[in-house]
Amino acid sequence: AQTVTQSQPEMSVQEAETVTLSCTYDTSESDYYLFWYKQPPSRQMILVIRQEAYKQQNATENRFSVNFQKAAKSFSLKISDSQLGDAAMYFCAYRSAYGNEKLTFGTGTRLTIIP
Amino acid sequence: DAGITQSPRHKVTETGTPVTLRCHQTENHRYMYWYRQDPGHGLRLIHYSYGVKDTDKGEVSDGYSVSRSKTEDFLLTLESATSSQTSVYFCAISAGGFSGNTIYFGEGSWLTVV
Repeated sequence: AQTVTQSQPEMSVQEAETVTLSCTYDTSESDYYLFWYKQPPSRQMILVIRQEAYKQQNATENRFSVNFQKAAKSFSLKISDSQLGDAAMYFCAYRSAYGNEKLTFGTGTRLTIIP
Repeated sequence: DAGITQSPRHKVTETGTPVTLRCHQTENHRYMYWYRQDPGHGLRLIHYSYGVKDTDKGEVSDGYSVSRSKTEDFLLTLESATSSQTSVYFCAISAGGFSGNTIYFGEGSWLTVV
């Protein structure tokens, strides 16, 4: 079974600075997807960014980018120019490219933005 | 907006009573999921469906049942609610095509069992 580990329960960053959230995963599969979801206080789960394992190029969405290291099974999220609205729980998630397509989540990292 | 509606959004119920949560989608997606979220555990899969009347268990399925009699609705039932089932419940769908096999979530249903 796949597992996802987020080793940083909490992180904080000064507004306008850059922060990196860590995620590692364990799988024996070669084809899969990785995601970062943001959960603000409203508890809505918002997709931030996705990465296909077969793509070597790291995904980027505006101020959000990932560092995907397939061999190391690492998938970190970098947030540049942090804004107050970035304060939230961030969840890393794994999804196999085969079978029932369910997501396996990490336990989350709570990000605080310091004005 | 992935067209997912959950109801009720908030519910308080007593131990031992049955509870049904409804997930409704408007875009004809094949896969639907029920997750629960608890502190320190992230989101955990309860049950999922891969078509009408086709369902399977997730990692925390004990005490829950599901039904899917039509594509747009996926029901989660707690036959006899317990305090350990106090949680936030999320419905989700899997969107393919241009959405790239991404899972999108409803807004959540807060359930308190007293």
